Amino acid sequence: AQKITQTQPGMFVQEKEAVTLDCTYDTSDPSYGLFWYKQPSSGEMIFLIYQGSYDQQNATEGRYSLNFQKARKSANLVISASQLGDSAMYFCAMREGRGSGYALNFGKGTSLLVTP
Amino acid sequence: GAVVSQHPSWVICKSGTSVKIECRSLDFQATTMFWYRQFPKQSLMLMATSNEGSKATYEQGVEKDKFLINHASLTLSTLTVTSAHPEDSSFYICSAEKQGIAKNIQYFGAGTRLSVL
Repeated sequence: AQKITQTQPGMFVQEKEAVTLDCTYDTSDPSYGLFWYKQPSSGEMIFLIYQGSYDQQNATEGRYSLNFQKARKSANLVISASQLGDSAMYFCAMREGRGSGYALNFGKGTSLLVTP
Repeated sequence: GAVVSQHPSWVICKSGTSVKIECRSLDFQATTMFWYRQFPKQSLMLMATSNEGSKATYEQGVEKDKFLINHASLTLSTLTVTSAHPEDSSFYICSAEKQGIAKNIQYFGAGTRLSVL
């Protein structure tokens, strides 16, 4: 079964607008972490933001915020004030378990295109 | 931040030869590193988990004799594709886990594009 679901294959947003990228997850483990990565056309995976399952507040990192709704098992990424350089693939990922050495399960990704 | 260096970024080789890819954590130590493979327009697929000083753990369907992983130090893991064939052509990307307070983050290298002729 798919553990991470990203339902939007592609998204468009106008420069300076905000955009929300959806991510839902499936786990029975009470300890887990949720991640968002950005992959530009060059291929590198850039870490954006992290949310732990026990974190009470939504994570924020500059223009990125994670809308964590635990009961709905969703972890949407919000990018505010979009820039042309935000055009890329965005992957949601989950790590199950507490501690180190656990691999990430990735969603299929959302391609974001920021238009002038 | 944390920097992970992956080398080479691009390699072309003849069928039957072996290729070694290096993954280094430059400013932190990583007990655990991971190797992923990515096909065009697809997500990342975990190949193996590499632990410093011990044998790697391979995912189901990944041939351990074909994809040799060595994690000899806390800053270096290598993936060797042995007797490469055209079907091994792909994008390979590594990550190193940085342990922090209440959270461990995987930082990725820039990836290696392998083309086997």
